[in-house]
Amino acid sequence: GQSLEQPSEVTAVEGAIVQINCTYQTSGFYGLSWYQQHDGGAPTFLSYNALDGLEETGRFSSFLSRSDSYGYLLLQELQMKDSASYFCAVNSGNTPLVFGKGTRLSVIA
Amino acid sequence: NAGVTQTPKFQVLKTGQSMTLQCAQDMNHEYMSWYRQDPGMGLRLIHYSVGAGITDQGEVPNGYNVSRSTTEDFPLRLLSAAPSQTSVYFCASSPRETQYFGPGTRLLVL
Repeated sequence: GQSLEQPSEVTAVEGAIVQINCTYQTSGFYGLSWYQQHDGGAPTFLSYNALDGLEETGRFSSFLSRSDSYGYLLLQELQMKDSASYFCAVNSGNTPLVFGKGTRLSVIA
Repeated sequence: NAGVTQTPKFQVLKTGQSMTLQCAQDMNHEYMSWYRQDPGMGLRLIHYSVGAGITDQGEVPNGYNVSRSTTEDFPLRLLSAAPSQTSVYFCASSPRETQYFGPGTRLLVL
């Protein structure tokens, strides 16, 4: 089977940095994705890591360690609009993504 | 280029009724999927398709049926609605790693 673990809630201050961790157990692994979902909206793609290391896209970065079955999403210079749920997801080959249960990020002033 | 479209946006059903949730994409993606999202449960895969004429079950397929007669369309059928099927349903299409989600259908079964 496949399982992903991520914290259910995180709170951080506007302007700060926050890290959302994700650990996974899968029978096959091609890469780890991150999605953002605002309340009432659909999930939208943020980043994808197939190889070990850090991928940076503006204020967001994502890291993967395949040997540790671990990744994280790093959000810098937090803004109020970053308040949302963040999902990690595993690509294990010919089946669709398997998603974690999501981390609800609250950014406070 | 509309991306992934879903209809209806909202629906209320009575227990035992049947209905079809429509999903269409205009990006020529081979992969399409249906997920349901419940509070605290994340996104759970119902059914998916890797191409026209090919479908397979996901994590929670019971009570749902799908077909994929064309690349563009992937309807989800509720055979006999139950209150446990009250949820938000998302359709997604994918070229490979990245999933593109539709806006969702909010379904209430009374």
